[in-house]
Amino acid sequence: DSGVTQTPKHLITATGQRVTLRCSPRSGDLSVYWYQQSLDQGLQFLIQYYNGEERAKGNILERFSAQQFPDLHSELNLSSLELGDSALYFCASSVGTLGTGELFFGEGSRLTVL
Amino acid sequence: AQRVTQPEKLLSVFKGAPVELKCNYSYSGSPELFWYVQYSRQRLQLLLRHISRESIKGFTADLNKGETSFHLKKPFAQEEDSAMYYCARRNQGAQKLVFGQGTRLTINP
Repeated sequence: DSGVTQTPKHLITATGQRVTLRCSPRSGDLSVYWYQQSLDQGLQFLIQYYNGEERAKGNILERFSAQQFPDLHSELNLSSLELGDSALYFCASSVGTLGTGELFFGEGSRLTVL
Repeated sequence: AQRVTQPEKLLSVFKGAPVELKCNYSYSGSPELFWYVQYSRQRLQLLLRHISRESIKGFTADLNKGETSFHLKKPFAQEEDSAMYYCARRNQGAQKLVFGQGTRLTINP
């Protein structure tokens, strides 16, 4: 499957901890986007990388950080976790910088903070 | 600020009935509008974009700049249309896609 892959699919951790979510974009895609989906909110844009460089930033908390590596995979780091960080985190990719508006999504990583 | 509003969290219609999923956006710049869909156990995927003026799976959506709306319509609903639908927008040249909260559509047999 050459689609967007995200690991882990499920993650349960405690408050105050730190986790790393990983995303591999579709083959050939240079842009990676991270979105957060909480219970009462829609998809909230967090951050976008294009070919290793940060291109756009949304409502990403200072406790969160991300990067895109030379092989184009991306990691989202969440630290000092709070109960409210429990959510589904989606990664998406596109060929370029959102030229057509089509994003290809992964299946998401469900984070539960206890 | 860019905003997308989908006023209905849940929408239920009978098979064969017309469907309209509402989407309103805040006026800001020259937006491009999209509908994304997530079927059960599948990934979120693009359904259609206003620029293409296309009909996909019988769905159409017209951008109404006067009402700042981009409602999704289908004249005769089918059971396989049951899914979560998200309206999204971006400003021309912008990198990020802003999504609404989504509407869960259920088609009853």
